[in-house]
Amino acid sequence: SAVISQKPSRDICQRGTSLTIQCQVDSQVTMMFWYRQQPGQSLTLIATANQGSEATYESGFVIDKFPISRPNLTFSTLTVSNMSPEDSSIYLCSVLHDTGELFFGEGSRLTVL
Amino acid sequence: AQKVTQAQTEISVVEKEDVTLDCVYETRDTTYYLFWYKQPPSGELVFLIRRNSFDEQNEISGRYSWNFQKSTSSFNFTITASQVVDSAVYFCALTDFHTNAGKSTFGDGTTLTVKP
Repeated sequence: SAVISQKPSRDICQRGTSLTIQCQVDSQVTMMFWYRQQPGQSLTLIATANQGSEATYESGFVIDKFPISRPNLTFSTLTVSNMSPEDSSIYLCSVLHDTGELFFGEGSRLTVL
Repeated sequence: AQKVTQAQTEISVVEKEDVTLDCVYETRDTTYYLFWYKQPPSGELVFLIRRNSFDEQNEISGRYSWNFQKSTSSFNFTITASQVVDSAVYFCALTDFHTNAGKSTFGDGTTLTVKP
C-alpha cells in the first residue's frame, strides 16, 4: 500500500494569487498523478507528474496554469497559478502502485474568492 | 477511447433496502483494472474494491458485492440491507496500462441517499 500526505488540506485564496500543493508518498512510486474535482463533479486528470522531466498534461490543462514538479520518486507539487473562482476545487494527488491499485491523498480543498 | 458510464445520477432508498449501482466501461486494452470508490460528505475518497480484467469472479465483502461481466463490460456494485452511513457519492473508475499509461478515468458518480 501507499500512504499519501497532501498539504494544505484546505485553503482560501484571493483571486490572482498562486498556491502550491505538496504531495508526499511514504514509498517510491513510478507513477504520480494530479486530479481535480470541481464542485459536484467527477475527478478529472490534470497531468502525470514525471520524475526528472516535464509533466504530461491532459487536454485542457497547461503548464503555465498548473506547473508541476517531481524532483524524486516520493514527492510532487502542483501549483495553481493566477487563481480565479473557477479554480475552486478539490485537488488530489494519486499514485499508481505496481499492483495496479490507485491510491489517493486526502485532497486539498481550494476556495478562491 | 477509455470511458466509464454511471447512468444513475442519483438513487434514493430507504434503510434496509438493497441497491445496485451500475457501471459500464469502454477500453481497447485487454489488461485493465476497475475500481469503486466511495466519497462521503466529508470529501475523502475511500477505496472499496479493485478488480483486474482477468478475474471475473464476483466478490462479496460484508454487505457489499460486485458483479463483473466482461461480456457486457459492466462492473456493478450492490449494497445489501443499506444503512444511512452508506449515503455518499460512489465512483466507478477504469485504469488501463497500454493505451493510457496507467491513467484512470472516472465515471460521473452516483449519489446514493439512504433514508432512515
